[in-house]
Order: sequence, then C-alpha cells, then structure tokens
Amino acid sequence: QSALTQPASVSGSPGQSITISCTGTSSDVGGYNYVSWYQQHPGKAPKLMIYEVSNRPSGVSNRFSGSKSGNTASLTISGLQAEDEADYYCSSYTSSSSIQFGGGTKLTVL
Amino acid sequence: QVQLQESGPGLVKPSQTLSLTCTVSGGSISSGSYYWSWIRQPAGKGLEWIGRIYTSGSTNYNPSLKSRVTISVDTSKNQFSLKLSSVTAADTAVYYCARAGTWGLYYFDYWGQGTLVTVSS
Repeated sequence: QSALTQPASVSGSPGQSITISCTGTSSDVGGYNYVSWYQQHPGKAPKLMIYEVSNRPSGVSNRFSGSKSGNTASLTISGLQAEDEADYYCSSYTSSSSIQFGGGTKLTVL
Repeated sequence: QVQLQESGPGLVKPSQTLSLTCTVSGGSISSGSYYWSWIRQPAGKGLEWIGRIYTSGSTNYNPSLKSRVTISVDTSKNQFSLKLSSVTAADTAVYYCARAGTWGLYYFDYWGQGTLVTVSS
C-alpha cells in the first residue's frame, strides 16, 4: 500500500487561511469516511486534530476544519497563528483493514 | 488521564528481533473498546502504522510488515508489546505506541512520547 499523497510544504501569513490536500484511492480515502488529521511539532508525538473527515476532538480550535471530495480529503486552517507551524499528516482506514498515513506536509507561518 | 510509555532496547543488531513494550497507566488496557497500536517514524520522514491489537486480543497489521510483526497484550501488566523480526537499517525509527477509541477506532487520541530504535551492528 502506498502513502496518501500530500504536498511537501505549504505556507501562509498570520491571519490567512491555508488548505492541505490528501489524495488517496477508492480503497482508502474515497471508500471510507474514516479520515483524520494530525499535527506534529518537532520532537513531539502527533496530536489528533480532525477525525471522521470533519469532526474536531474537544479542545481543538475551530480554526481547524476538514472535508472530503471523492478520493481527496482536505484540512483547512483559518486565521493562521505562529503556533500552527508544524507538520501535518492525514490518515485513512483502508480496505486491507489497516491504517495509511500521508507523507506529511510542513506548514510554515511566514 | 491515560498515559502511554514505550520501553525497550535502543539498539538492535541487523537480522535480530526488535522488541518494545508499551505500559499503559491511568486506565485498564482491557476495559472499554480500544485499539492499541504501534506507529513508527524514521528520522525526517513520515508516520507509518505498524499494527494494532483490540481489547479482545484480535490483531491487524500493515500488509507491508505483516510477515515480520507480532503484537500482543499482557493484561496483568497493563502492557502491550511489539516484536519485529529480521530487522534492517530501514527499521531504524522512533517507535510510538498509541490508543484509538475515544473518537472512533481509527483515530489515535493518546500517544506515548516515542522511543528511538537504531538498527546497527
């Protein structure tokens, strides 16, 4: 199984909005609504930011939102803040009863 | 508050078996409906899911690693473990244990801090 496809990097200025895409296939992203997004700061464990495509765990800012269309899921961060600078990973359940991560996207806040 | 802590050798020789344990505190590993997973991350690279064990003891593994992986649980010690056989330098990574269940069985809400395992002679 191949990693889900994410852009290597995205950037934005404070206050702006950015969107990170995550492209899979009908065997993972397109076939299930079991898509999630994680934020990882350097040297830290990942943190769950979005689950089931568009739901936020308690405590996660409503500046983070998720969506899906076909085989592509997206994470949007609005009102960018310096603390949002991190690596972001998407994840999906697959038809092999496994979990597949994306390759990761480095977000730079300019 | 659930906490997870990985432990095990930081250095493993090529062709040997990597063994790690995750100790769970703040809750019983056998209560509730949770999946307990192992995930790894080579330096500077992305996350790779290795496999998981359910509260009932059933397992699922990453197809690309399935032939080399065994995940087991010891409820008496509130621990679950990873064994990865025939390791090579490509298995060098930070290994995380994680729990899925609060928000659904496919989403990891609690993670250990990670432990670096280096494969080298």
